[in-house]
Amino acid sequence: SQQGEEDPQALSIQEGENATMNCSYKTSINNLQWYRQNSGRGLVHLILIRSNEREKHSGRLRVTLDTSKKSSSLLITASRAADTASYFCATDAEGTGSRLTFGEGTQLTVNP
Amino acid sequence: GAVVSQHPSRVICKSGTSVKIECRSLDFQATTMFWYRQFPKQSLMLMATSNEGSKATYEQGVEKDKFLINHASLTLSTLTVTSAHPEDSSFYICSARLVLKTQYFGPGTRLTVL
Repeated sequence: SQQGEEDPQALSIQEGENATMNCSYKTSINNLQWYRQNSGRGLVHLILIRSNEREKHSGRLRVTLDTSKKSSSLLITASRAADTASYFCATDAEGTGSRLTFGEGTQLTVNP
Repeated sequence: GAVVSQHPSRVICKSGTSVKIECRSLDFQATTMFWYRQFPKQSLMLMATSNEGSKATYEQGVEKDKFLINHASLTLSTLTVTSAHPEDSSFYICSARLVLKTQYFGPGTRLTVL
């Protein structure tokens, strides 16, 4: 079963607004990763945050990690129509040989 | 960055036939490759982990005799869906990893079984 739960399942915003997606997980992790998937396509790796990190930035992306709450958030600032995609978190849990467990995903729609 | 390819990108087959999907790491040697399945509007589910030169490790509920995985070299893994049925129709995605580095994902293969 999937470890991660993401909310919201779907998010629709206007261009220029910020989008925040949340991910919760159940076990201890080595790291947590966020991926993007355009409809019917493969995954694009966005950012990796290690268990000893609390926040990480990459361009318009900001990821936070709270290991005490077993949760993470992905913030996309100043969204663009091209950001429309599904976003997944994936956890690399301790003791699993770096296998990834994916969350259910958030479908983001950015309206022009 | 590292590139992983999959072939074919789409395949349509008749029920009862077998389909082979290839996953290649193009510019690095992958000690481990992973196979995922994704149904429409759902997340990725790990099917199996394959290490070069050894038998694949299958996730609970995945039939190893139905989904044959071969990882014969450090750059190629194949997934064969044997005696495919309509319920096997899905998006199959592989990823490749060098030792304990980041996984790089292929573009996926859309399988439709009629």
